[in-house]
Amino acid sequence: GQNIDQPTEMTATEGAIVQINCTYQTSGFNGLFWYQQHAGEAPTFLSYNVLDGLEEKGRFSSFLSRSKGYSYLLLKELQMKDSASYLCAVLSLYGQNFVFGPGTRLSVLP
Amino acid sequence: DTAVSQTPKYLVTQMGNDKSIKCEQNLGHDTMYWYKQDSKKFLKIMFSYNNKELIINETVPNRFSPKSPDKAHLNLHINSLELGDSAVYFCASSPENRWALAKNIQYFGAGTRLSVL
Repeated sequence: GQNIDQPTEMTATEGAIVQINCTYQTSGFNGLFWYQQHAGEAPTFLSYNVLDGLEEKGRFSSFLSRSKGYSYLLLKELQMKDSASYLCAVLSLYGQNFVFGPGTRLSVLP
Repeated sequence: DTAVSQTPKYLVTQMGNDKSIKCEQNLGHDTMYWYKQDSKKFLKIMFSYNNKELIINETVPNRFSPKSPDKAHLNLHINSLELGDSAVYFCASSPENRWALAKNIQYFGAGTRLSVL
């Protein structure tokens, strides 16, 4: 079976740093993706990890530990426009199936 | 210029009706997907096609039938609509569906908001 867990909601202040966690238990693992989804819009790709460690992309970084079944998305210098849902998704071993987590709704306050 | 386009954007219909949602991508991608996002915002894969061939068919009622006339199009037909079918349906595409992770990055359409009354 496949199970992905994320906190439902988080709140942070403009200019701060926030870490959004994702834990997963899947039958086979080929990589982990992070997507951003603004309310009423389509998900858009942010980053992916296939090996353990940190991938940095501007204000956004994503970390993966395969042995712990754990990832996080780190958002620095938060801006109001970062208020959105953040979805982690696991790609199964044979690249045949994407499983999305429930998403974390982030609210950035002034 | 739209990369992945879905029509219609909104669909309001009565229970028991049959409806179709169309999806087209102009990215030259080999793989296309249909997802359902329910009221709790859970995004769940329904189908995946690679070069017009069905490769993923999750546990979806057989009232839902995807059709891929060519690799740039993946349409979704729904028969005998039920109240529980109300959701946002997203089409997506990726370059391919292989080991190279970057080839699996998915590009989503704007979604079709289906309301069954």
